Amino acid sequence: AQTVTQSQPEMSVQEAETVTLSCTYDTSENNYYLFWYKQPPSRQMILVIRQEAYKQQNATENRFSVNFQKAAKSFSLKISDSQLGDTAMYFCAFIVGANNLFFGTGTRLTVIP
Amino acid sequence: DSGVTQTPKHLITATGQRVTLRCSPRSGDLSVYWYQQSLDQGLQFLIQYYNGEERAKGNILERFSAQQFPDLHSELNLSSLELGDSALYFCASSADRQETQYFGPGTRLLVL
Repeated sequence: AQTVTQSQPEMSVQEAETVTLSCTYDTSENNYYLFWYKQPPSRQMILVIRQEAYKQQNATENRFSVNFQKAAKSFSLKISDSQLGDTAMYFCAFIVGANNLFFGTGTRLTVIP
Repeated sequence: DSGVTQTPKHLITATGQRVTLRCSPRSGDLSVYWYQQSLDQGLQFLIQYYNGEERAKGNILERFSAQQFPDLHSELNLSSLELGDSALYFCASSADRQETQYFGPGTRLLVL
């Protein structure tokens, strides 16, 4: 079975500081894609970052970067220079073999001014 | 703006009724996915269509059905509605399998 675990239901960070959100997953497949989505209070699901499992290099998108540890099946998201607009639910997800996304339960991040 | 559109944004209806949710994918995307987000179940995959054909099914109830039309827009039909069907329903689209999925703004369904 494909599962995604986000062990931090809630986190907070001071504005301009750095925060890391954790995610682990389980699959027996070797080829898959990992994602972080952000869901602000508007409830829109917004893609933050994507990582291909066959790539060793960690993906980076501006202030967002991942630490992908394939052997440990770990995929954490680091947000640098946190901004008030980063306040949101963050979902870790992956696609493997089949076509649908498997989602974690989310981490609610609050950026404190 | 993801380029995926969903209508209506909000829907309030009564138990036992039937509703239709509509989704238009991003230009050029052939795959459409439907997801349900409820408070106690998180985000659950319902069904996927690719270029008009059903490709994958998830935790979709028999009371729910979907289709994708030749112009690639998709509709999700929910019938014999129950209180527990109240949720946010998302449509997402992608160019092909394992490609990034882009989400629409969702339809918030409230069953009273």
